[in-house]
Parts: sequence; C-alpha cells; structure tokens
Amino acid sequence: NAGVTQTPKFRVLKTGQSMTLLCAQDMNHEYMYWYRQDPGMGLRLIHYSVGEGTTAKGEVPDGYNVSRLKKQNFLLGLESAAPSQTSVYFCASSYAGEQFFGPGTRLTVL
Amino acid sequence: AQSVSQHNHHVILSEAASLELGCNYSYGGTVNLFWYVQYPGQHLQLLLKYFSGDPLVKGIKGFEAEFIKSKFSFNLRKPSVQWSDTAEYFCAVKNGNNRLAFGKGNQVVVIP
Repeated sequence: NAGVTQTPKFRVLKTGQSMTLLCAQDMNHEYMYWYRQDPGMGLRLIHYSVGEGTTAKGEVPDGYNVSRLKKQNFLLGLESAAPSQTSVYFCASSYAGEQFFGPGTRLTVL
Repeated sequence: AQSVSQHNHHVILSEAASLELGCNYSYGGTVNLFWYVQYPGQHLQLLLKYFSGDPLVKGIKGFEAEFIKSKFSFNLRKPSVQWSDTAEYFCAVKNGNNRLAFGKGNQVVVIP
C-alpha cells in the first residue's frame, strides 16, 4: 500500500515550457487535491476533485489545469510555466475528512 | 468558508521546554480541526484531529490539542520537546467537499 505518490520529485523548467505532474493514490479515495507550498504562505489549494471525471478550482487556480480521468490519478498541468510558479507542489487524497499527502514535487522555473 | 490563523510564525526553544502553538478559526458551528506536522524535507503528516467529543485530543509523539469552542481555538501543546520535534506545524479546518483551509504554519526549532 503505497498511499499517495507523486512524480517527478524534482523538475527545473524554463519560462514558457509546459509540464504535467502526476499524483496517484491506491486507497480508493474519492477526493483529491493539489496544493502549492511557499515559504510563509502555508498550503494553498490549486484545484481539487470530488470524484472521477470532476474537477473544481481552489484558491489559486490561475496558470494551472487538472484532469481526473481515472479515480486513482490526478494530474496537474502547467501550460506555460512562469517563475511565479516556482514552488513545492503537494497532492493529497481524502477520506472521512482526513487528508493524506504525497511526498511533494519541487519545481523551479527559470 | 472557514479560515485559520496561526501566530508566532517562528518559535525557537530548548530541549525539555514546553511548547504551545495557537490556532484560531474564523467562525462557529460544527468544525473539524487538524494539526499536521512537516519535518524538514518531508510531506505533511497528521498529528491529531478533532471532530467531536472530548475537547482534549491526544495525538502522536506526545502532542495534544484543546478545542475551546468559546474562543474559536484549537491550540497545540507538548509538555517537553525534543530536538526531533524541529518541524513546521500547520493547523487546518475543514470546509465543504472535504477541503482544508490551512494556517500559514509555525516553524519550530528545538535547540539541543
């Protein structure tokens, strides 16, 4: 039982490049979330999903897109990366109100 | 939607000292509250949670938190910290669709 996994762990992009972050969970949870963590800002919700085929905007959705084609996977896309998107990205899934977090992806945009 | 505020963003203390971190949420009604810990370079892990019942909640690693409804607070405590408690601590409150609103965190450094 791997819990929540994220790939890749680290990535460096140039401004304007695109990439997709993958989150996978093997706990059969309906709810999944993408956060970004910046120093002194806590965790801010980017997008979330309440089930397969559904997505919704969180607190800071601009510049990001998501897809939930399969229940176990939640993808976060950056179409045209900007330096302001340099951050650590965490995925989580939820059951009975409690969230379970992945190990994070450290993204640097130059 | 609920929001959370945490005070004293940076806390430095010596081993064996007592720790208390404040957390206030924005309004009343039924609340689900959490404290998460993030050790250096790691992901967030649940320390403890409050859904209902006894307002004094025991968590892992000797941590506890007290829910005080009249003060909209859910403060985290540990009587005697260790060097290994050096971490960032986040308070969170549940909103709709099982979303969590996080506070900005408390960076705690324990000096041996």
